Amino acid sequence: NAGVTQTPKFRVLKTGQSMTLLCAQDMNHEYMYWYRQDPGMGLRLIHYSVGEGTTAKGEVPDGYNVSRLKKQNFLLGLESAAPSQTSVYFCASSYSVLAGINNEQFFGPGTRLTVL
Amino acid sequence: AQKVTQAQTEISVVEKEDVTLDCVYETRDTTYYLFWYKQPPSGELVFLIRRNSFDEQNEISGRYSWNFQKSTSSFNFTITASQVVDSAVYFCALSVLLTGGGKLIFGQGTELSVKP
Repeated sequence: NAGVTQTPKFRVLKTGQSMTLLCAQDMNHEYMYWYRQDPGMGLRLIHYSVGEGTTAKGEVPDGYNVSRLKKQNFLLGLESAAPSQTSVYFCASSYSVLAGINNEQFFGPGTRLTVL
Repeated sequence: AQKVTQAQTEISVVEKEDVTLDCVYETRDTTYYLFWYKQPPSGELVFLIRRNSFDEQNEISGRYSWNFQKSTSSFNFTITASQVVDSAVYFCALSVLLTGGGKLIFGQGTELSVKP
């Protein structure tokens, strides 16, 4: 059981380049999330998905797109990277969001992205 | 709107001291969950505890204890007899299940340094 994995672990981009971050989970979780972590700001939600084929915007969605074509994968895309997108990106998944059922989020190891 | 505030940015203690990390939250929803996560220097996020809004019982797990008080909207975390391995950034987070899609709203984090 690998849990939540993220690819790649590190990446350096030039301004204007594009890339896709891949998140995969093998726990059959319905819900998946992308967060970014910046110094002094905690983690902020970018986009999330409540099931295969569905996505929704979080707190800071601008400049990012996502897709959830398969239940186990959640992709985060940067179409035209900007220095402001330099951050550590975390993917998370959870089994449920219902009260009384296991609803803690399990996090991947993170992707450190630098945009020059 | 929901918000989590961790007023203590950094705390430094000497090993074996007790330390309390404060967390204050804001929400108008009556059903919500509160979480604590630990982020050690290696960077991953480790789930520590979940508490739902209907359960105000304090919880103890080894050297860790949590005090949930709805009257003051606080969910504080105490480490007894701290150890160097407790050095990490600790995040408090809020999840509003019914309207929030389970997404987590994080505080800014408290960096705990335990010196030998």
